[in-house]
Amino acid sequence: TQLLEQSPQFLSIQEGENLTVYCNSSSVFSSLQWYRQEPGEGPVLLVTVVTGGEVKKLKRLTFQFGDARKDSSLHITAAQPGDTGLYLCAGPPWGAQKLVFGQGTRLTINP
Amino acid sequence: DAGVTQSPTHLIKTRGQHVTLRCSPISGHKSVSWYQQVLGQGPQFIFQYYEKEERGRGNFPDRFSARQFPNYSSELNVNALLLGDSALYLCASGPPFQQRDGYTFGSGTRLTVV
Repeated sequence: TQLLEQSPQFLSIQEGENLTVYCNSSSVFSSLQWYRQEPGEGPVLLVTVVTGGEVKKLKRLTFQFGDARKDSSLHITAAQPGDTGLYLCAGPPWGAQKLVFGQGTRLTINP
Repeated sequence: DAGVTQSPTHLIKTRGQHVTLRCSPISGHKSVSWYQQVLGQGPQFIFQYYEKEERGRGNFPDRFSARQFPNYSSELNVNALLLGDSALYLCASGPPFQQRDGYTFGSGTRLTVV
C-alpha cells in the first residue's frame, strides 16, 4: 500500500507551459517535503511545508500543504528544460519515526 | 563542508553473497537513515539511527541490518543477497524529525545482484 500517491507519474510538456504535481494521502502528516532527484544522484530537498494551508514559493515553484495535512501540490510556472527530473514528495506520518516517499513524478520539459 | 559520503558508488554481487555499504553523515549530524530505491519507484525506508541507537525500522527482512559508530558513520549490511535486492541504496543525514528539517542524501550505492 502506497502511503503517498503522486500524480501524474509521468509528465512531458513544452518549455514555457505551467504544470502541477499532486501528492495525496489518507493519512495525516506532521510535515511534507518535496525533493528533486537527477539520474545517478540522491534526492535534493526543495522545500518543507509544516503548517496546514501553508504556501511556499521558490522562484517559479509554488508548494502548498493541504489544510488537513493530508495532501500537497507543486506548481511550476513557465517550465524550463532545467526543471527536468524526478520530483518526490515525502513526509513522516504523524507520530512515526520514518520518512515515507511517493513513487515520484518524472517530469520532462522539451525545448 | 563535505556532504553525505557513501561508498562504494557501484557494486556487483552474486546471489547468496553478503554486502556492506558505508555512509558518512554531514559533520555535526547525528542521525543517519538508509533507504532502498528500486528502479522506477520512490525510496523505501530501511533504518534510522540516532546517537548510535536504532530509532526506526522499515518493513525489510532480517537479512538487512545496520549499525552506527561513535563518529556517527554507519554501515548497512545485507546477507544472502537476492536478485530483488538490486537497487540504489541511499543514506540520509540530518537532525531528528522533530526539528522538521529536510534530510541531505548521499549519491547512493548502486547494487546489482546477478
